Amino acid sequence: DVKVTQSSRYLVKRTGEKVFLECVQDMDHENMFWYRQDPGLGLRLIYFSYDVKMKEKGDIPEGYSVSREKKERFSLILESASTNQTSMYLCASSFRRQRANTGELFFGEGSRLTVL
Amino acid sequence: AQSVTQLGSHVSVSEGALVLLRCNYSSSVPPYLFWYVQYPNQGLQLLLKYTSAATLVKGINGFEAEFKKSETSFHLTKPSAHMSDAAEYFCAVSHAGGTSYGKLTFGQGTILTVHP
Repeated sequence: DVKVTQSSRYLVKRTGEKVFLECVQDMDHENMFWYRQDPGLGLRLIYFSYDVKMKEKGDIPEGYSVSREKKERFSLILESASTNQTSMYLCASSFRRQRANTGELFFGEGSRLTVL
Repeated sequence: AQSVTQLGSHVSVSEGALVLLRCNYSSSVPPYLFWYVQYPNQGLQLLLKYTSAATLVKGINGFEAEFKKSETSFHLTKPSAHMSDAAEYFCAVSHAGGTSYGKLTFGQGTILTVHP
């Protein structure tokens, strides 16, 4: 089975702190994604990466950065956390469509971040 | 740009009744379409996907969806609801081309409640 593992299920941080959210996948996927989930807004794409050291902005990149030093690992960084970044963060991965399939995403279980 | 609209943020049915969750999309190219389910405190799990083969797609747990190009719709149905179907459901459309392969745009989500 495909497994996408997010390092922390629940985090509580203070305003201004630097926050790292880690994600690891074990299926050799080229693509990795970070989404933010808020009630009534669905999932919104923050950043994605289609290869090591490559990244592209999604729909809401402000206040976030990412790092992909290894194929299996994709990190989301909040340089200075703010209360409006309190949310559920979901990591996902997939093959490139040319190689395999239709773009189906495989998700981790999510990291619920609270910023006080 | 592609987008997805889910009609109804909350749907409530009785156990054994028909489930109908509505999804409309906009896309400038033939889309790939997905339905995902999210149980409480979990990540998203793929229910089914449309990939330009059969227009009626069968998924897991007795769900199915029909792609109707003329209506730009991809509604999710299940003939008889079960208590275990209570969850949040997301419709998503896949982007095409280049490094955007695998990037999904999600709807706002529909919370399904099943009453005994």
